Amino acid sequence: DTAVSQTPKYLVTQMGNDKSIKCEQNLGHDTMYWYKQDSKKFLKIMFSYNNKELIINETVPNRFSPKSPDKAHLNLHINSLELGDSAVYFCASSPIGRTEAFFGQGTRLTVV
Amino acid sequence: GESVGLHLPTLSVQEGDNSIINCAYSNSASDYFIWYKQESGKGPQFIIDIRSNMDKRQGQRVTVLLNKTVKHLSLQIAATQPGDSAVYFCAENEGGSYIPTFGRGTSLIVHP
Repeated sequence: DTAVSQTPKYLVTQMGNDKSIKCEQNLGHDTMYWYKQDSKKFLKIMFSYNNKELIINETVPNRFSPKSPDKAHLNLHINSLELGDSAVYFCASSPIGRTEAFFGQGTRLTVV
Repeated sequence: GESVGLHLPTLSVQEGDNSIINCAYSNSASDYFIWYKQESGKGPQFIIDIRSNMDKRQGQRVTVLLNKTVKHLSLQIAATQPGDSAVYFCAENEGGSYIPTFGRGTSLIVHP
């Protein structure tokens, strides 16, 4: 009965591969997010999405793309992985009009 | 762009002491602030929030103080416990945006 769940928790892959990270929330929230946390613990917003609007952080490479099959899911697809993509990726959700975000456990991506 | 940051990257305290974690923000249009706690291997977790029309808000063992004049936010933890050891983030929101912008984070270490 985890509120925000991500899979996989760990992902090790080679440069140039394409991979996806899945996220599901069972809170009934309207807004979902993807954050990237680097080795210095800095959390950077990548995307926010609700059923009406996708907001993309313009610094995110277009190799990253969010895909939302329905309101409860926001998956992150990454093409042509690079070494610098290694980080922990967090999915989060919040009720519409609210900023309090509920985070998943994170996916540690290692590109070798 | 404008950013939210922290004065001290690491704070070490003895169990039972009070802890104060500071945060400076630069976006004068921010009107909502949240403190998050991130334990090792987990996602950030909401602790307490405060709106810009307040200067103090109390929760269970935690107090957030907001000084809009100097754009400063602090989190006070009373009677710090080993379970409080984590990285603490302040996050801010500008009115009309529901996307929280995170500061750098402070690592709190509580010694028994």
